[in-house]
Amino acid sequence: NAGVMQNPRHLVRRRGQEARLRCSPMKGHSHVYWYRQLPEEGLKFMVYLQKENIIDESGMPKERFSAEFPKEGPSILRIQQVVRGDSAAYFCASSPPGTQANYGYTFGSGTRLTVV
Amino acid sequence: QQQVKQSPQSLIVQKGGISIINCAYENTAFDYFPWYQQFPGKGPALLIAIRPDVSEKKEGRFTISFNKSAKQFSLHIMDSQPGDSATYFCAAQNTGFQKLVFGTGTRLLVSP
Repeated sequence: NAGVMQNPRHLVRRRGQEARLRCSPMKGHSHVYWYRQLPEEGLKFMVYLQKENIIDESGMPKERFSAEFPKEGPSILRIQQVVRGDSAAYFCASSPPGTQANYGYTFGSGTRLTVV
Repeated sequence: QQQVKQSPQSLIVQKGGISIINCAYENTAFDYFPWYQQFPGKGPALLIAIRPDVSEKKEGRFTISFNKSAKQFSLHIMDSQPGDSATYFCAAQNTGFQKLVFGTGTRLLVSP
């Protein structure tokens, strides 16, 4: 029973390029969350998605960032025209549907994005 | 009001000692308080969690103490071991909204 799978583990992008981060939730989980961790800081909520729906994007920067969770395939966090300040670890988490979603969720190992 | 304040930032404890990490919150709508453990290069892993209807929860060497009136909660690690050396994050959640609000983390080092 694989956990939350994120890839790539490490991603290097030059300023102005696009970054695509992928997250496959645990089997049976239909809720996906993205968090960003800056060096020496806690995790900050970005977005909460269910299949084909964005439920809460209150933590997403207004520009350049987007997320999706299609009916088939992994959830994608997309960062356009990356800048040095986007360098961080991006973590995906998933939880099961229904009330079980309220009892904590499982994180992946993260994608470490470096913008050079 | 969405912040969770965590202290200390770092902590050094001798093997066998007690590690104590404290957190405080403002939003009284929070109703779920988990602690996560993170090792370098890994994602956070749920360690233990508590709801505000109890004042203490114990799982093995890990105990959460919860003070609802003071809006504070703490993690106690008894008989700390070198393998406990990691970064610990407290968090809070209003389960109607799903998202977790994290503290800034405590880097624990347990010396042999």
